[in-house]
Amino acid sequence: DVKVTQSSRYLVKRTGEKVFLECVQDMDHENMFWYRQDPGLGLRLIYFSYDVKMKEKGDIPEGYSVSREKKERFSLILESASTNQTSMYLCASSLYPKRSGALSYEQYFGPGTRLTVT
Amino acid sequence: KNEVEQSPQNLTAQEGEFITINCSYSVGISALHWLQQHPGGGIVSLFMLSSGKKKHGRLIATINIQEKHSSLHITASHPRDSAVYICAVLPMDSNYQLIWGAGTKLIIKP
Repeated sequence: DVKVTQSSRYLVKRTGEKVFLECVQDMDHENMFWYRQDPGLGLRLIYFSYDVKMKEKGDIPEGYSVSREKKERFSLILESASTNQTSMYLCASSLYPKRSGALSYEQYFGPGTRLTVT
Repeated sequence: KNEVEQSPQNLTAQEGEFITINCSYSVGISALHWLQQHPGGGIVSLFMLSSGKKKHGRLIATINIQEKHSSLHITASHPRDSAVYICAVLPMDSNYQLIWGAGTKLIIKP
């Protein structure tokens, strides 16, 4: 079974702090994703990465950065946390569909990190 | 207009009922993804399909590419099926980004 783990289930940080959220997958997936989920808004893509050191902005990248130094690990960084970044953060991984076909593109999710910024 | 629309938004049913959740989309796609999210946050992949029908236990997913429509059915529903069901599509011109539906919240009463 694919396993995607996230470093924390719950996190409370103060405004202005630098926050690191880590995600690790064990299935040798090329693609990794960071989403945030807010009530009534569904899943919104922050950043994704299709290879080591490669990243692409998603729909809402402002206020976030990412790092992918190793294939299995994808980090989301909040440079200076703000209260409007209080949210559920979900990491996911998938195979690269061009290599493996569109049906291999199932995204596998971690348990999520509920971040509160006070 | 959203590119992926799910209906209904909310559904409450009695245990044992046959459940149908619909997903319509407006773009050409390579594949469609159904996922389940239980209270507490965890999201689980149910199906990835590009044609026809797939079945897993009491869950059945169908897709009609010509009509740009997919359905998720649950037979003999049970309270443990209570969750949010999410549809997402992989556009033909994309290798990375799914377009997400807003989800259907299903409650099954005993």
